[in-house]
Amino acid sequence: GAGVSQSPSNKVTEKGKDVELRCDPISGHTALYWYRQSLGQGLEFLIYFQGNSAPDKSGLPSDRFSAERTGGSVSTLTIQRTQQEDSAVYLCASSRLDQGGDGYTFGSGTRLTVV
Amino acid sequence: LAKTTQPISMDSYEGQEVNITCSHNNIATNDYITWYQQFPSQGPRFIIQGYKTKVTNEVASLFIPADRKSSTLSLPRVSLSDTAVYYCLVGDYNYGQNFVFGPGTRLSVLP
Repeated sequence: GAGVSQSPSNKVTEKGKDVELRCDPISGHTALYWYRQSLGQGLEFLIYFQGNSAPDKSGLPSDRFSAERTGGSVSTLTIQRTQQEDSAVYLCASSRLDQGGDGYTFGSGTRLTVV
Repeated sequence: LAKTTQPISMDSYEGQEVNITCSHNNIATNDYITWYQQFPSQGPRFIIQGYKTKVTNEVASLFIPADRKSSTLSLPRVSLSDTAVYYCLVGDYNYGQNFVFGPGTRLSVLP
């Protein structure tokens, strides 16, 4: 597609439920990233994919968080047993892996609210 | 990863030129310098990227001195719609590394 697409745009869930967030990157972008942003805060790195593998999972806050990417394209971020502190905007970005490109292209994010 | 330092906030008036400087003392040879803009409720948006000297596009200019230990984003004749948070990132896109977003610079453009 023309841009990075994320769904759903908004998600309200009850504490303890599992949620899945989806990211559809720009076609041909090898690298895919997940960040989260709490209200009024900066971006917190979660995980990075190169193709279908995740060389860097260092940012996942706990074992309740997991992510996968299939076919070098769509990625799903899963949060199990959600907690109120998981409430944030989850941003996905993709990029080409070459010099002098146009950096990351971000999606509009999924606003997750855990009640 | 090269760490960046930039002012937390800046104020300006419509029509003025705004310069935001970012320090990155431990920048590596293969690192590029990239600036992003973020409006409330949106993901960051790429503004400009450079390696050395000066880069200009339809939105901004980026000035990078010879030692590359800093860079300056220049926004000509800002308008109210330029009110946003601006992030400076340094890294090598060849390896898809985790780019660390600092707190950015919150620019407020006043009428």
